[in-house]
Order: sequence, then C-alpha cells, then structure tokens
Amino acid sequence: AQSVTQLDSQVPVFEEAPVELRCNYSSSVSVYLFWYVQYPNQGLQLLLKYLSGSTLVKGINGFEAEFNKSQTSFHLRKPSVHISDTAEYFCAVSEPGGYQKVTFGTGTKLQVIP
Amino acid sequence: EAGVAQSPRYKIIEKRQSVAFWCNPISGHATLYWYQQILGQGPKLLIQFQNNGVVDDSQLPKDRFSAERLKGVDSTLKIQPAKLEDSAVYLCASSLPQGFRETQYFGPGTRLLVL
Repeated sequence: AQSVTQLDSQVPVFEEAPVELRCNYSSSVSVYLFWYVQYPNQGLQLLLKYLSGSTLVKGINGFEAEFNKSQTSFHLRKPSVHISDTAEYFCAVSEPGGYQKVTFGTGTKLQVIP
Repeated sequence: EAGVAQSPRYKIIEKRQSVAFWCNPISGHATLYWYQQILGQGPKLLIQFQNNGVVDDSQLPKDRFSAERLKGVDSTLKIQPAKLEDSAVYLCASSLPQGFRETQYFGPGTRLLVL
C-alpha cells in the first residue's frame, strides 16, 4: 500500500529566504507524485506533479521538486519565498493503474515571516 | 472556466442529526471525488465516481455516509446520523477521466462542525 510522510508539520521561514519542504513516500511499485497547496479556507490547488521523465519538476509560483527514487523522496523547494506563500502544503502519491487513488500526507504549514 | 462548486460552505449541527453536501464539478469532468479532511490531517478519499458509477468507496463509513451522483454531473454526500468525529472539511474534486495523469481540481470545501 502506498503512503506519504511529511516530516515537518510546520516550517517558519523569513521572507526572501529559501525553503525546502520534505516528503518521503512508500510504495511497492512505481509512483506518481504531487504537491498541492491549500490557502486558508480554500480547496487544494496543484503545484506540480511528477509522472515520468526528468526528475526535476517545475511548478507554479516558482516552486520545484526533485524526485529521488533511491531515497524515496520528493522534496519541494523554492529559492526565495514571499508572504503570499504562507499556506499548507500537501505531498501526495498515486500508483499507476486503477482509478487514480491519491494518498495525501498530513501536510506542512509554511509560515513566511516578514 | 468555472471551478468546482460546493455548498454550503459551513454547517453546524448536533450529533445524531443529518446533513447533506452538494458538489457541482467542472463541466466535462467525468470523475468526481469526495474527501474528508480532519483538522491537522491530509485529505482522505471517501468515495470516487466515474460518471454515475462508484469506483472506490472502500473508506466510506457506509453505516452513516452515503453519496450519489445523478446523471453523471452533480453529487451529494449525506451523513445520517452525524457523530462528533465527523467534524471536518468535506472536499469535492473532479478530473477528466484519463486516470492518474489528470489533475484533480478541488472545490473550496464544506466545513462541518458537529456539536
């Protein structure tokens, strides 16, 4: 069965500083990986996804993530954060085949400090 | 393009009462999902529809939860009777039917508080 672990429940960071949000997954087969962002009182929005090909994936709002199969990780990075990046970020995994069942992690709250 | 619509946005009920949530997916999206997001946790899939049919309801507490999707468009999720632990945000999402490659688009959610 697939699972996702987000190691940090909260990450405070100063504005314009870089940030990395960690995500590790567990699966017995090849996986597809996603990062979603959730702003307060809103639904989730896809930031980026890895399906195949290049292990470095670029998403919206300047975020990128790198798929590392040997370490079963898919960490999210941004070189310089903005106040508007304050939100909760969810890593998710899906296994190929079937009907795209997606398993979400518990989320990481990113707090950008002015 | 209009997004996924959900109503109501907020609902407060007492335990043992019934409640229903409504979702209107993005036009043309054959796949519809209902998630439960408890405070401090990630969304958990309750049920997934492909057009009118259910393709996954393995985590739906069927003794109290039910969902339907009439005509392959709108969907309703019902809880009867509600328990305190049902307090959560209920998210609806939709996607094109091509499976895992397709992005899920989420609605704003319905925040339920059971007293």
